[in-house]
Amino acid sequence: GAVVSQHPSRVICKSGTSVKIECRSLDFQATTMFWYRQFPKQSLMLMATSNEGSKATYEQGVEKDKFLINHASLTLSTLTVTSAHPEDSSFYICSARDQVSYNSPLHFGNGTRLTVT
Amino acid sequence: SQQGEEDPQALSIQEGENATMNCSYKTSINNLQWYRQNSGRGLVHLILIRSNEREKHSGRLRVTLDTSKKSSSLLITASRAADTASYFCATEGNNRLAFGKGNQVVVIP
Repeated sequence: GAVVSQHPSRVICKSGTSVKIECRSLDFQATTMFWYRQFPKQSLMLMATSNEGSKATYEQGVEKDKFLINHASLTLSTLTVTSAHPEDSSFYICSARDQVSYNSPLHFGNGTRLTVT
Repeated sequence: SQQGEEDPQALSIQEGENATMNCSYKTSINNLQWYRQNSGRGLVHLILIRSNEREKHSGRLRVTLDTSKKSSSLLITASRAADTASYFCATEGNNRLAFGKGNQVVVIP
């Protein structure tokens, strides 16, 4: 089946530094990838929709200058958390769809646990 | 934005029993999907039901969709300890997938 690889799985960084998270579709091309954020014991909150070759579409309340998304190829999207602060500590999950169809499921990466100290 | 809401949010059952979770949503949808998440991991797709479908089966899973009531249910039959996880419904519309709050299911061996 379709596989989405997300790296790193865990990262600890100091406040003020930037962290890059990669999301790769391993055996399919993904024109669209989605980035979610999840707090403990809560649901997934959609942060942005990443479109290959164009600017990402951010959800209301998500700072585009803080959460930089790049989708330079059909198999790779990156999320960079810039000038990280402790409140950015969270579980970040990417997902992708392997068909250009609304009626196909999303395939998720295993998530990245970010801890900002 | 669309938001599925599951009910109940926590369920503890004995192995072999059935587990039922419900989900309601507010706007029109293209499809509704159920996902499972083990602690600290990504989500695994379980089943997708389209807006013109009423019921769908996959192994021990049974999903119903009532678009008139804007609700869906997920039934896990003959539960196993390995079914212990969080279960989320997600509704799709406008190329966005919005997730509900999730149900924590604990299956006691």
